[in-house]
Amino acid sequence: QVHLVQSGAEVKRPGASVKVSCKTSGYTFSFYGVHWVRQSPGQGLEWVGWINTGNGNTGYSRKFQDRVTITRDTSARIVYMELSSLRSEDTAIYYCARDLGKFGEFNWFDPWGQGTLVTVSS
Amino acid sequence: DIVLTQSPDSLAVSLGERATINCKSSQSVLYSSNNKNYLAWYQQKPGQPPKVLIYWASTRESGVPDRFSGSGSGADFTLTISSLQAEDVAVYYCQQYYSSLPTFGQGTKVEVK
Repeated sequence: QVHLVQSGAEVKRPGASVKVSCKTSGYTFSFYGVHWVRQSPGQGLEWVGWINTGNGNTGYSRKFQDRVTITRDTSARIVYMELSSLRSEDTAIYYCARDLGKFGEFNWFDPWGQGTLVTVSS
Repeated sequence: DIVLTQSPDSLAVSLGERATINCKSSQSVLYSSNNKNYLAWYQQKPGQPPKVLIYWASTRESGVPDRFSGSGSGADFTLTISSLQAEDVAVYYCQQYYSSLPTFGQGTKVEVK
């Protein structure tokens, strides 16, 4: 069974950075990319970026590309998302999700992690 | 970026009645080389992550009840719940994966009237 399990909730000060992890299991890690999507309180879904877990290539939303870094640890089957220069508007639930496309092809997302609440507050 | 606009933002439907959600894309998401529409539909219930219902615009995910169906092509798509059940109360999102910058619609909240 495929599972994506994320790290726990974080509380950060404005200006700080946060690093969220997504541990995967149940499939060949390097075959499928992993995306990050965020959801601000009471709002919709917003794509943050993704990583090709096979070769490490990344792609980011223009909105976040100056502040986000997505990496992976292939041996541990973990994908990380680090967001820097945090502001209050970054308060959101951050989800990781596996892309069903293989070897860098984009398809739909399934499954999703349980989500990590990141709260930015002074 | 490809913009997806859903309508309506919310709708209230009686149990057993039909619910229809539209998703309009700012450009076609039909890939001509394979004749596939790169569009998915997700259901999100409160406190849960999204769950895929439909992909390739009209292919139902395994285990999804057949009262859910997707249709459309190019830039106009529809998700239909043929007979609303209480457990279908949720927010529904369309998503395009045609572009290397995936995007979501703003969501449609479905409630029971």
